[in-house]
Amino acid sequence: AQSVTQLGSHVSVSEGALVLLRCNYSSSVPPYLFWYVQYPNQGLQLLLKYTSAATLVKGINGFEAEFKKSETSFHLTKPSAHMSDAAEYFCAVSSYNQGGKLIFGQGTELSVKP
Amino acid sequence: DTAVSQTPKYLVTQMGNDKSIKCEQNLGHDTMYWYKQDSKKFLKIMFSYNNKELIINETVPNRFSPKSPDKAHLNLHINSLELGDSAVYFCASSQGPGSETQYFGPGTRLLVL
Repeated sequence: AQSVTQLGSHVSVSEGALVLLRCNYSSSVPPYLFWYVQYPNQGLQLLLKYTSAATLVKGINGFEAEFKKSETSFHLTKPSAHMSDAAEYFCAVSSYNQGGKLIFGQGTELSVKP
Repeated sequence: DTAVSQTPKYLVTQMGNDKSIKCEQNLGHDTMYWYKQDSKKFLKIMFSYNNKELIINETVPNRFSPKSPDKAHLNLHINSLELGDSAVYFCASSQGPGSETQYFGPGTRLLVL
């Protein structure tokens, strides 16, 4: 079985500060890992994904994440937060034998203070 | 053009009613999904179709019945609505059922009174 844990349901940073959203996963087979963003009253948009290629993955809007197998982690970072980054962020896991089924974490709400 | 669209956007109805939510994608994808997001924003997959065939059927009450008339459409019919069905329902699509990126629709906000 697969699972995802996002540490911190709410993270608050100042504009220009580092953004770090934590995600740990559990999977008995090599995982595919995803970060999605959800703006208020909208659907989800893919930020980035890891599918067994480079362990450091760059995504849209300046976000990146590093797959660390030894730590079973896939934390999301951005060097400098913008006000427009305020949203809900979801980490998700899947694998080759899941038929595309995404298992989502609980979500982390990111607030950005001016 | 909207890639994945859902209708209606909002749905308010009484307990016991039957309702449908429609989803269409114009991306030429083979795989479509239904997810439920509850009031705590937790997302859980309900169903998935690949080339009009059901490939994922999670533990969902049989009051929920998906139907895929063609690869571009995946509808969700709900019978005998209950209070606990109130949620946001998202449709998504992807090129295939593996590691492909899933593109989500804007969601249908269902409120059962």
